[in-house]
Amino acid sequence: QVQLQESASGLVRPSETLSLTCTVSGGSISSFYWSWIRQPPGKGLEWIGYTHYSGSSNYNPSLKSRVTMSVDTSNNQFSLRLTSVTAADTAVYFCAKYLRGSFSPLDSWGQGTLVTVSS
Amino acid sequence: DIQMTQSPSTLSPSVGDRVTITCRASQSISDWLAWYQQKPGKAPKLLIYDASSLESGVPSRFSGSGSGTEFTLTISSLQPDDFATYYCHQYNYFFQTFGQGTKVEIK
Repeated sequence: QVQLQESASGLVRPSETLSLTCTVSGGSISSFYWSWIRQPPGKGLEWIGYTHYSGSSNYNPSLKSRVTMSVDTSNNQFSLRLTSVTAADTAVYFCAKYLRGSFSPLDSWGQGTLVTVSS
Repeated sequence: DIQMTQSPSTLSPSVGDRVTITCRASQSISDWLAWYQQKPGKAPKLLIYDASSLESGVPSRFSGSGSGTEFTLTISSLQPDDFATYYCHQYNYFFQTFGQGTKVEIK
C-alpha cells in the first residue's frame, strides 16, 4: 500500500513562493503519476495538476503560469512550487497518487498540509 | 473547462435511508468519473471509479452508475459512518475537475 506524506509548510508571505514536497513510501515513484489538489478552508477540492518522473506534467489553466511540479526519483519524492502567492492560495494542500495513468482516479492521498498566505 | 455540478448541495437523511447524489458534466466524459468521501479534517477517500467500479475495501452499500454527462452515487442504506461530504471527479480531459461537493449531514 503506497503512503504519501506532505512536508509541513505553514506560513508563506504574499508574493513569495509556496514550496511543498510529498514523500512516497511503499512503492516506486517511477511507477505512477502524481497529483496535487488543494482545498480552501470550508470549500471544495481544486485540482492543481499532475506530474510524472518522465517529465510529463499538466496544470490547471487558472494556475499554469505560477505552478511547477517535479519528481525526485532518488528520494522518492515529488514537489509543488507556486509562485507569487496571495491570500486566495490559502488552503490545505493534498498530494495524491493516480490509480493507473494520469486519466484515472486518485486512489491514495496524503493527510494534507495547511498553507496560510499572510504577512 | 468541464464543469461538474453536483446535486443536492446538502442532504439530511436518516440512518437506513437510501441516498442518491447526482453529478452532471457540462460535456461528455464517457465513464471517466470517480466518487470520493471526505470527513472533516481528513483526506478524501476513493469510493467508486470508472463510474461504477467499487474500490477495494469499500462497503457494497455504495454503488455508482451513469455515463456521458449524468452520474449517480447511491448509498443503499445509510450508516452512521457515512455522514460526510461526497465529491465527484472527472478525469476524461487534461484539465481535471471536481464537483462542488454534497454534504450528507445528520438529520
